[in-house]
Amino acid sequence: DARVTQTPRHKVTEMGQEVTMRCQPILGHNTVFWYRQTMMQGLELLAYFRNRAPLDDSGMPKDRFSAEMPDATLATLKIQPSEPRDSAVYFCASGLALRGQPQHFGDGTRLSIL
Amino acid sequence: QKEVEQDPGPLSVPEGAIVSLNCTYSNSAFQYFMWYRQYSRKGPELLMYTYSSGNKEDGRFTAQVDKSSKYISLFIRDSQPSDSATYLCAMSQSGGSNYKLTFGKGTLLTVNP
Repeated sequence: DARVTQTPRHKVTEMGQEVTMRCQPILGHNTVFWYRQTMMQGLELLAYFRNRAPLDDSGMPKDRFSAEMPDATLATLKIQPSEPRDSAVYFCASGLALRGQPQHFGDGTRLSIL
Repeated sequence: QKEVEQDPGPLSVPEGAIVSLNCTYSNSAFQYFMWYRQYSRKGPELLMYTYSSGNKEDGRFTAQVDKSSKYISLFIRDSQPSDSATYLCAMSQSGGSNYKLTFGKGTLLTVNP
């Protein structure tokens, strides 16, 4: 089965450090999503791309977060500088921009900011 | 009020029980309704996908949508220990290029052998 691949699976770092999370979407999928999951807020959409162009990043704190798709096989989410409140599980999902097509999730990056 | 409300549980049932999971929502523009299952330390995986009102059945799972009441349900028949997971409802306004999903917080289900 084709899968969305996320790296790293776990990341522990100190406050103020830069964090980069990577996602390889399923080959052929043209839409990529970044979500954050916490106990308090649940699963929240941060940003999404279609055909590598950003469509909506309204869920992302712009001062410290940035999302890019350098090419069709790689999406990145960066946090600089990181803060303890950024501790969460970050998920990437990919899908086809066709009616009725669902999103497929990776297994997430578990981020802890000390 | 959040756009999608879901009782977080936890819900604990004996093996073989019928399980009912529910979500309510406030945005009448939602047209596509999904249920995702999430095992511990894994990403959500799609279980059921429905459009507009009505029922959809897939094996032991049945999804119901009542748009007039803004209420969706997932029923699990003959529940198994392997069904133990968090169940998330999700909704979108469009299944096309704009399918930004809004999720419920999830219900933690445990099925006891």
